[in-house]
Amino acid sequence: DTAVSQTPKYLVTQMGNDKSIKCEQNLGHDTMYWYKQDSKKFLKIMFSYNNKELIINETVPNRFSPKSPDKAHLNLHINSLELGDSAVYFCASSHRTANEKLFFGSGTQLSVL
Amino acid sequence: GESVGLHLPTLSVQEGDNSIINCAYSNSASDYFIWYKQESGKGPQFIIDIRSNMDKRQGQRVTVLLNKTVKHLSLQIAATQPGDSAVYFCAETGSGANSKLTFGKGITLSVRP
Repeated sequence: DTAVSQTPKYLVTQMGNDKSIKCEQNLGHDTMYWYKQDSKKFLKIMFSYNNKELIINETVPNRFSPKSPDKAHLNLHINSLELGDSAVYFCASSHRTANEKLFFGSGTQLSVL
Repeated sequence: GESVGLHLPTLSVQEGDNSIINCAYSNSASDYFIWYKQESGKGPQFIIDIRSNMDKRQGQRVTVLLNKTVKHLSLQIAATQPGDSAVYFCAETGSGANSKLTFGKGITLSVRP
């Protein structure tokens, strides 16, 4: 079983559309994250949730809205998609905090046309 | 702001040689350091980590060295194999409950047969 799984793997959509990416972890971890990786491979944290509570919210447009229905799931909804949103989005989880290793999903490649 | 960076964007090594990937960080309060490997189309995969109370840690074919005096981290891979070809990231975080894992720029390791 995949520890951190996210769907879809690829997402191609038009500007202005709304889309969601789902993430689930079966590791029993308390904390989940969304990272964005740009075309230069730079990884930047977007959000962090601990036991369904938002603890980190980086400077991300409010078109991005994370939702954690339970501690095993962290979904990312994006409204009014823009060209600059094209990137690979990674979900990750850790046991308690970011002061320990993070386990990453395989990524969702988002292409906004 | 605080940053974590790598000295070289690419590294090419002969199969069987040892590889050394270097990383500089600027946050003197960093408490936990970690190396990730990312293969094409996959998420970052944990390699090895080290806490600030240590200066060396060894794994299977990999060694991480931490020099807090000059804020330098390195990853040594012994007997580099073709399967080691990937992008490598160093990352660091502080010790607070709301700390976040900050990644450096990736470096591509290319192993020549």
